[in-house]
Amino acid sequence: QKEVEQDPGPLSVPEGAIVSLNCTYSNSAFQYFMWYRQYSRKGPELLMYTYSSGNKEDGRFTAQVDKSSKYISLFIRDSQPSDSATYLCASANDYKLSFGAGTTVTVRA
Amino acid sequence: ETGVTQSPTHLIKTRGQQVTLRCSSQSGHNTVSWYQQALGQGPQFIFQYYREEENGRGNFPPRFSGLQFPNYSSELNVNALELDDSALYLCASSLTGDRYGYTFGSGTRLTVV
Repeated sequence: QKEVEQDPGPLSVPEGAIVSLNCTYSNSAFQYFMWYRQYSRKGPELLMYTYSSGNKEDGRFTAQVDKSSKYISLFIRDSQPSDSATYLCASANDYKLSFGAGTTVTVRA
Repeated sequence: ETGVTQSPTHLIKTRGQQVTLRCSSQSGHNTVSWYQQALGQGPQFIFQYYREEENGRGNFPPRFSGLQFPNYSSELNVNALELDDSALYLCASSLTGDRYGYTFGSGTRLTVV
């Protein structure tokens, strides 16, 4: 079983819609959770991060962690075509990042 | 503009050959990690180096090895290449203990034929 599971999609939404992305994880020791965005032919770039359970908001982006259910979520409000990318959830444990498979999102103009 | 640069950007090798990939870390970052990203998958941790010593390794065979140099540049070496080694290889640098501060390079796309 992978430590972090993510529905690979793909996901296609119209411009202005809310994008909802989800992951689950299996390791109860995970405390640090991140969302990365990866454009084609580029490396992942950090989008959001949270520590332990709770919500974090940054502009149009909201990250949620529910440790009781081992569930990680990212919401993108008022989505734009420039948000089209692959979104990777990850958790940091000691010296490594464990990633989900990534969800490819297309925002249609 | 990422502070981590990788070379080459693309590479084609034959099965059984050896390959060396290079990474120049972001200035001040003393830890470098390497990840393998197969097509349609998330990155998988290969290993991490701190102060020129390997201090963590993922589930990869010994034919994957690395080096970190005093100037924080690093190399990933893969011997006896297999077709399944075809992937995007990513280098990430960070300050030790900074779990959020990983900066990734754009990667080297390796194709093994």
